[in-house]
Amino acid sequence: DTAVSQTPKYLVTQMGNDKSIKCEQNLGHDTMYWYKQDSKKFLKIMFSYNNKELIINETVPNRFSPKSPDKAHLNLHINSLELGDSAVYFCASSRPLRGRSYEQYFGPGTRLTVT
Amino acid sequence: TQLLEQSPQFLSIQEGENLTVYCNSSSVFSSLQWYRQEPGEGPVLLVTVVTGGEVKKLKRLTFQFGDARKDSSLHITAAQPGDTGLYLCAGARGETSGSRLTFGEGTQLTVNP
Repeated sequence: DTAVSQTPKYLVTQMGNDKSIKCEQNLGHDTMYWYKQDSKKFLKIMFSYNNKELIINETVPNRFSPKSPDKAHLNLHINSLELGDSAVYFCASSRPLRGRSYEQYFGPGTRLTVT
Repeated sequence: TQLLEQSPQFLSIQEGENLTVYCNSSSVFSSLQWYRQEPGEGPVLLVTVVTGGEVKKLKRLTFQFGDARKDSSLHITAAQPGDTGLYLCAGARGETSGSRLTFGEGTQLTVNP
């Protein structure tokens, strides 16, 4: 009965490869997100989708492409991986709470290591 | 840029002590959330504060939202080893749909038995 799940948990790959991370939520939320957490634990938003529509697209290299086949899934594809892409990637989903305040629920993270 | 500054960055205390973590910004947020993250896991939402001056309690944890909705504090009474973790504050600015969260840099708390 996991709320937000991500696969894989760990991903080790070489520079130049293309990889995907999958995310699914069973909370019935309309909005999903991708965050990157660097080695200093700083969480930065990358993308957000609401009902399969892209609503937030931060300054992220074009090599990163999110895809939302339905509102319960948000996948992240990364082309031509670079060393600097090594980080923990978190998927999250949210529901509205009293007007414009939203609570976000995070997945367990995918630790990506590029060698 | 909406920056959220957390202090302290690191805190190591003995079991039974009290502590306060601060989260400050020059920007106004529609709400502010506190999360706790343990190693190898995602952040887990502890509380959301919405109204300026609001105080919420969660057992030994007390959260306060500043009157101007620019800052917040988390106070833990009689800390226990189970409180160890990374505490993150996050300010929300509601968009048309979905909410962009700006996270603080986190406070790594270690409670020693």
